[in-house]
Amino acid sequence: QVQLVESGGGVVQPGRSVRLSCAASGFTFSNYGMHWVRQAPGKGLEWVAVIWHDGRRTDYADSVKGRFIISRDNSRNTLYLQMTSLGAEDTALYFCARDGATGAWDSWGQGTLVIVSS
Amino acid sequence: ETVLTQSPGTLSLSPGERATLFCRASQSVSSTYFAWYQQKPGQAPRLLISSASTRATGIPDRFSGGGSGTDFTLTITRLEPEDFAVYYCQHYGSSRGTFGQGTKVEIK
Repeated sequence: QVQLVESGGGVVQPGRSVRLSCAASGFTFSNYGMHWVRQAPGKGLEWVAVIWHDGRRTDYADSVKGRFIISRDNSRNTLYLQMTSLGAEDTALYFCARDGATGAWDSWGQGTLVIVSS
Repeated sequence: ETVLTQSPGTLSLSPGERATLFCRASQSVSSTYFAWYQQKPGQAPRLLISSASTRATGIPDRFSGGGSGTDFTLTITRLEPEDFAVYYCQHYGSSRGTFGQGTKVEIK
């Protein structure tokens, strides 16, 4: 079955960087666009970034543009999110999600928690 | 950018009752790119409805979606204990995704 497993979260100092990973299995990863979505503690869902199935196109929320980079390695079935210049506002649970056949996001990982704190 | 506003913020109901959740878009959106998700505490969101009214795989038929333009609804005909959760609407046009702020359905 479809499985998405995020990793790489933890406590990070303000201004530092971290890279998140999302390992995909159970489907042909290279056929699907992928997203990162985050959820601050006790808050709602915020879309962060998208990457096309072939990695040729990306897009970002204004709140992270210029600081985060989404990428993928289709040979490793893995999605990444490189996060730089982190601030307290980036503290959140980060989910990866798959663009389904209808365009809605039909599979989600369980998330990896990033806490930005000194 | 389209803003989605959900109402009510919290819905207090008993098992067996009917729940109707609303989502209003700040501008007209295509129903083809409109979805609803359910999220339980400590879990990832789960897709319930896509294209405004199409149930995702494995979603019970007590869940139904409707609406068009700027006004969309999610209806749960008879609440089961496992349905008490937070529900988010989403517009996913242009590959981006905009979410509403969520409606919490809690046990009365």
